[in-house]
Amino acid sequence: QVQLQESGPGLVRPSETLSLTCNVSGGSIISYYYNWIRQYPGGELEWIGYLYYNGATSYNPSLKSRVTISIDPSKKQFSLRLSSVTAADTAIYYCARARVASRTVPEYWGHGTLVTVSS
Amino acid sequence: DIQLTQSPSPLSASVGDRVTITCRASQNVNTWLAWYQQRPGEAPKLLIYRASTLQGGVPSRFSGSGSGTEFTLTISSLQPDDFATYYCQHYNSDSCTFGQGTKLEIK
Repeated sequence: QVQLQESGPGLVRPSETLSLTCNVSGGSIISYYYNWIRQYPGGELEWIGYLYYNGATSYNPSLKSRVTISIDPSKKQFSLRLSSVTAADTAIYYCARARVASRTVPEYWGHGTLVTVSS
Repeated sequence: DIQLTQSPSPLSASVGDRVTITCRASQNVNTWLAWYQQRPGEAPKLLIYRASTLQGGVPSRFSGSGSGTEFTLTISSLQPDDFATYYCQHYNSDSCTFGQGTKLEIK
């Protein structure tokens, strides 16, 4: 059974870099697209970007200048870095896996982790 | 950018009711549309993709239809577990956007 689990700090200071890791278990890490999606306190969902297992990426244009998604296949982990955060980046962050045929339509999601940006 | 507008929101219904949620796109998206269900405290769950293809394991009381700019998600007979928030999503190979969500409440 495929499972994804986010981990990382729940509190980040303004102007610093948000860093999260997603551990993938229960299946192969190859031949899938790994997405990060966030959900604001009001419920709105925003796609952040994805990474293919070979390292190819695509990012939301509105976040592209601040986002990096990377992968460590040997650890079955992929990561999100979001720089220069502000209070507007406060959200629940989900990692999720999608098939090749539908790269941004995740079938498996992590439980999500709340990240608050505050001094 | 393509905008997705869902209606109604919220939606009040009773167990056993047939309900329909609508998602309208600001431009033609063909059938590149998915639907998700999100219960409180949980991650979204994929229900339907390509507008009408049921994801494996999803009960057959859920169905999707539409193409172009207007889409619907129908639940044929509401069950207690179905009271949740539903999101539509337009997707392509390089990005996606979500609707604002429709909260399905118990009447």
